[in-house]
Amino acid sequence: AQSVAQPEDQVNVAEGNPLTVKCTYSVSGNPYLFWYVQYPNRGLQFLLKYITGDNLVKGSYGFEAEFNKSQTSFHLKKPSALVSDSALYFCAVRDIWEDSSYKLIFGSGTRLLVRP
Amino acid sequence: DTGVSQDPRHKITKRGQNVTFRCDPISEHNRLYWYRQTLGQGPEFLTYFQNEAQLEKSRLLSDRFSAERPKGSFSTLEIQRTEQGDSAMYLCASSSRQGPTETQYFGPGTRLLVL
Repeated sequence: AQSVAQPEDQVNVAEGNPLTVKCTYSVSGNPYLFWYVQYPNRGLQFLLKYITGDNLVKGSYGFEAEFNKSQTSFHLKKPSALVSDSALYFCAVRDIWEDSSYKLIFGSGTRLLVRP
Repeated sequence: DTGVSQDPRHKITKRGQNVTFRCDPISEHNRLYWYRQTLGQGPEFLTYFQNEAQLEKSRLLSDRFSAERPKGSFSTLEIQRTEQGDSAMYLCASSSRQGPTETQYFGPGTRLLVL
């Protein structure tokens, strides 16, 4: 069965420094991977997705993610963090080989705290 | 605003009462999903519709839960005889039928508190 792991409950980084939020996945076939961000008392906002092609995917708000098939990872990155990036980040996977509903399987989330 | 909307945003109810939530998807999106998010967890799939047909239900969706999408537009999620364990954020998402590469767009959620 497909699954996603976000090994860090919280990531702390200083403003202006690069940030990485980690995600690993497990699927039976080729994965479709997504990152969403959630601000307090809000729904999820789509950041980016990996379908196929380049391993480095660029998304909204300066975020990018690197797909690594051998390590089954899809880490979210940003070269220079902003205080306003502080939020809850979710990695999700869709396994089209096992599931025709196209539902997303989410990780437990990582809280990003960017200090001024 | 042409995004996914949900109503109400917050609901407080007493145990045993029935509640109903509404989701209005992005116009012309024919897929609609319901997820539930409890504190400290990621969203978990509950059910999904393609047009008006409910095609899959999670084991999380007990007999007290029912969802509808009449005419393939808005959807409602009803919880009967609410329990304290139903307290959660209920999220709705919609997508157009692009296949497995589709992006789901989420609404702001309905936060339910059962006292």
